[in-house]
Amino acid sequence: DAKTTQPPSMDCAEGRAANLPCNHSTISGNEYVYWYRQIHSQGPQYIIHGLKNNETNEMASLIITEDRKSSTLILPHATLRDTAVYYCISKSGGTSYGKLTFGQGTILTVHP
Amino acid sequence: DGGITQSPKYLFRKEGQNVTLSCEQNLNHDAMYWYRQDPGQGLRLIYYSQIVNDFQKGDIAEGYSVSREKKESFPLTVTSAQKNPTAFYLCASRLGGEQYFGPGTRLTVT
Repeated sequence: DAKTTQPPSMDCAEGRAANLPCNHSTISGNEYVYWYRQIHSQGPQYIIHGLKNNETNEMASLIITEDRKSSTLILPHATLRDTAVYYCISKSGGTSYGKLTFGQGTILTVHP
Repeated sequence: DGGITQSPKYLFRKEGQNVTLSCEQNLNHDAMYWYRQDPGQGLRLIYYSQIVNDFQKGDIAEGYSVSREKKESFPLTVTSAQKNPTAFYLCASRLGGEQYFGPGTRLTVT
């Protein structure tokens, strides 16, 4: 699974869009990009994943560059409850046991 | 409600004692996982199980043991051989590529 690189921390004003970048320059063709978040002292929560097309669900949008070397998670209208650590993970679809390798993630702080 | 439960939320033990952490899921998922998280760090895989009566070591299995006698249950035992057992322990189950996590158990060993 490719290594991912994220900024250690970001700030966002409540109500504005939060754009969290992730670099995965060594990603291979069959590796998906997954995003999870972890609110303090809770278990991680799945947000979204994609392979090469942009994806959107009720929580967020995922924009993957055409060369797939980087992606951006977008929370369109951030709230205080979105303050959390956000993890970007690349994982091969062929990894049968589904191991997720969590790095240190990005601490997103949403302020009033 | 479907989900994963871990109990207790906080657990305290004396050094040298084995302790078992509970993980139960009613999602009908085949695969289950145990992770450990230390302060300011990401998650590290301890053990995983893809099906009942089968489990495999993850990246940091030393000092831990598991069993998978039922689909719903995947208990983790932290043995006295684990040199730094104090940590936040997370259990997860998987459907497709998505993992669903329990609320975690914070274990403190003194």
